[in-house]
Amino acid sequence: EAGVVQSPRYKIIEKKQPVAFWCNPISGHNTLYWYRQNLGQGPELLIRYENEEAVDDSQLPKDRFSAERLKGVDSTLKIQPAELGDSAVYLCASSLDVGAGNTEAFFGQGTRLTVV
Amino acid sequence: GESVGLHLPTLSVQEGDNSIINCAYSNSASDYFIWYKQESGKGPQFIIDIRSNMDKRQGQRVTVLLNKTVKHLSLQIAATQPGDSAVYFCAEAYTGGFKTIFGAGTRLFVKA
Repeated sequence: EAGVVQSPRYKIIEKKQPVAFWCNPISGHNTLYWYRQNLGQGPELLIRYENEEAVDDSQLPKDRFSAERLKGVDSTLKIQPAELGDSAVYLCASSLDVGAGNTEAFFGQGTRLTVV
Repeated sequence: GESVGLHLPTLSVQEGDNSIINCAYSNSASDYFIWYKQESGKGPQFIIDIRSNMDKRQGQRVTVLLNKTVKHLSLQIAATQPGDSAVYFCAEAYTGGFKTIFGAGTRLFVKA
């Protein structure tokens, strides 16, 4: 079974340009997360979806970041315009119903974004 | 504020020895505590979790200990192998409004 698939793996853009990341979670996982991981630090949650609903976006910088999961399956995270400080690895993860005690999140390999 | 952090940023052990990675947390309301392993260039990988009403849980070569009195979590790896070299994160989770908060990580080096 395929794991969480993210694309692209790497992205280099100039500041002020837009960028988008795509994630396809594990089939049947209704919970999807986007995390940002800076070098040497742990992942920080940006947004969590339950099916197509964003149930926690409190850490998402809404002035420049947006996300969608229109059909409750794959998801896109967008940054517009990108800033130098956005350089990081963007991780997508998915899990089964967390309310039933499914704590295991399955992570993709991430997209390494470099803003120059 | 809420935080999950680690005592030691790096740990170097000899192959075959046991490893102990420690973590302190500040929020007593978490339902679960989780350990993740992250190898270079990969996303974090779930290792083991423990419910907040337990104090010990064992997996394959790993044991997680939870001391709620001092808000301390540890991961013990038996007979550490070169493949265990990675960064280890502790995390806490709430199943009500599910959120996983990660600490900064401990890098484990295994010397052959």
